[in-house]
Amino acid sequence: AQSVTQPDIHITVSEGASLELRCNYSYGATPYLFWYVQSPGQGLQLLLKYFSGDTLVQGIKGFEAEFKRSQSSFNLRKPSVHWSDAAEYFCAGGLKGSGGYQKVTFGTGTKLQVIP
Amino acid sequence: DGGITQSPKYLFRKEGQNVTLSCEQNLNHDAMYWYRQDPGQGLRLIYYSQIVNDFQKGDIAEGYSVSREKKESFPLTVTSAQKNPTAFYLCASSRQGLITDTQYFGPGTRLTVL
Repeated sequence: AQSVTQPDIHITVSEGASLELRCNYSYGATPYLFWYVQSPGQGLQLLLKYFSGDTLVQGIKGFEAEFKRSQSSFNLRKPSVHWSDAAEYFCAGGLKGSGGYQKVTFGTGTKLQVIP
Repeated sequence: DGGITQSPKYLFRKEGQNVTLSCEQNLNHDAMYWYRQDPGQGLRLIYYSQIVNDFQKGDIAEGYSVSREKKESFPLTVTSAQKNPTAFYLCASSRQGLITDTQYFGPGTRLTVL
């Protein structure tokens, strides 16, 4: 089945520390992949997306993600976390079709806590 | 400013009542979506629409209904047939519904059944 898996439900990091959030995908072909962030009680905002080409993708708010075909992963990273990064992060993916609606499947999310 | 608005932010409903959640966008997007979010389950697609007067069921459409009479509006009705309606509901839109189109999300409506 086509899916996106986020193995970590909750992660705690210290402010200023580096961050890596894991995402694994299972698709029959190379999927289109996304990372979204959701602040408490709010909607989702797109951080970055990968379609093809360079496997290291830069996004907003200082985030980046690396597509690794050999590991079926698309992990999100940030070199130095700020308290304002505390939020829930969702990985999502889908396959390009020939037309019409093309479904995006969301992972279950990773909640990030940042401690001083 | 362009964006998506959802109202109300909080909604309380008694069991057996239908309730309608509003979603409006001024992004001139053709495609609109409704997702349900429950803790630990991510986002699940309820309905989507790629064009006015047309919409399709998503993964969990039972107990829900929608309409798309205007490009800007995509209201969701949670009917009494929905067994467990308490959840956070998110509306989104994108240019056409293609995988390459960014989905823009509204701030959500939290529905609680009393």
